[in-house]
Amino acid sequence: EPEVTQTPSHQVTQMGQEVILRCVPISNHLYFYWYRQILGQKVEFLVSFYNNEISEKSEIFDDQFSVERPDGSNFTLKIRSTKLEDSAMYFCASSEWEGANEQFFGPGTRLTVL
Amino acid sequence: AQSVTQLDSHVSVSEGTPVLLRCNYSSSYSPSLFWYVQHPNKGLQLLLKYTSAATLVKGINGFEAEFKKSETSFHLTKPSAHMSDAAEYFCVVSLNTGFQKLVFGTGTRLLVSP
Repeated sequence: EPEVTQTPSHQVTQMGQEVILRCVPISNHLYFYWYRQILGQKVEFLVSFYNNEISEKSEIFDDQFSVERPDGSNFTLKIRSTKLEDSAMYFCASSEWEGANEQFFGPGTRLTVL
Repeated sequence: AQSVTQLDSHVSVSEGTPVLLRCNYSSSYSPSLFWYVQHPNKGLQLLLKYTSAATLVKGINGFEAEFKKSETSFHLTKPSAHMSDAAEYFCVVSLNTGFQKLVFGTGTRLLVSP
């Protein structure tokens, strides 16, 4: 069964460093998403991406964040200068089409900023 | 704005007894509602979804949920709990318009004892 994969599973970085979280969505999916879950809090939407453009972003997704689909398979989330409060589990998701449709989630990357 | 409230942070049941996980939603529009499950160190897996068709929705692993508009509820049930059901369960709402942004509840941890 096709699945969304994410690498690395755990990333530790120093405050102020750049990190890139990687995701490989399901191959025929066209819509891509990033969510995050700070420890003990709810899962929050960050950004959605379609046709090489951001379609929607939350207020969390400020100028420190960017997304890219550098090739036909990867979907990345970059945090330019990490802050302590960026420590969280980051989930990538993809869906085949828009609207009320299932989003398939990856296992997540746990980001720890020291 | 749409939101979901999961009334219980933890639910404990014995194996073989019924499961009830409660969820109430708030939405200005006709919502789509989902239940996702997260097992330890795993991604978020869709259990079931409601998208304005039948109000009683059956999902995987014997779970079902009933959409009750009058009560703005979408409670998750299972007649007989299994040890493998122990996990975190998230009630999720999405608008039926445009790109899909999922709004998560805070989650309910289901504990199943022998």
